[in-house]
Amino acid sequence: GDSVTQMEGPVTLSEEAFLTINCTYTATGYPSLFWYVQYPGEGLQLLLKATKADDKGSNKGFEATYRKETTSFHLEKGSVQVSDSAVYFCALSDRGLQGNYGQNFVFGPGTRLSVLP
Amino acid sequence: DSGVTQTPKHLITATGQRVTLRCSPRSGDLSVYWYQQSLDQGLQFLIQYYNGEERAKGNILERFSAQQFPDLHSELNLSSLELGDSALYFCASSVDVRTGTEAFFGQGTRLTVV
Repeated sequence: GDSVTQMEGPVTLSEEAFLTINCTYTATGYPSLFWYVQYPGEGLQLLLKATKADDKGSNKGFEATYRKETTSFHLEKGSVQVSDSAVYFCALSDRGLQGNYGQNFVFGPGTRLSVLP
Repeated sequence: DSGVTQTPKHLITATGQRVTLRCSPRSGDLSVYWYQQSLDQGLQFLIQYYNGEERAKGNILERFSAQQFPDLHSELNLSSLELGDSALYFCASSVDVRTGTEAFFGQGTRLTVV
């Protein structure tokens, strides 16, 4: 079945450092890819998404490019801030193979990022 | 604020009991998803509904059941609760079920089974 692998961390960086969180996926179909962020005590929020190969999603200084050849969707930010401290989830959505073919969302384990001032 | 409302925010109950978690999707969204988040198993997909109909099923135990009502709110019923069911339960909604449609998450219900 579909799966998402990402570095689990924790990742600790100094403010203004460069961030990369690796994400790779396995899917039977042609999935869409997402990054979600979870701040302490809150639900998941969509950070960015890409729906086809070579698409680049971007938001709030974060970027990720859908690389079909390497089945990857790595998250990057040029200069992190203390306020970026959170857990980041890579996810894919694919057509469900069972039942009535709903959208099947699969999440990675999450990467905890701590940014120090 | 994602627009997805979950109640209650916290729930403490004893083993063997039954609880109901409630979710109101964003206005206009027809699809609802339920997820369980625990420290050891991460975010696990439980079940998805679209306009009242079950559309996809994940790792949902037989002791758990869900439904989506005509007004599109959804309820997740957990019965014969065990200590291991303690977790954060998230509801998410999306406008439809097409691949690539982003899901918007509620703030979750924290269930503690004692």
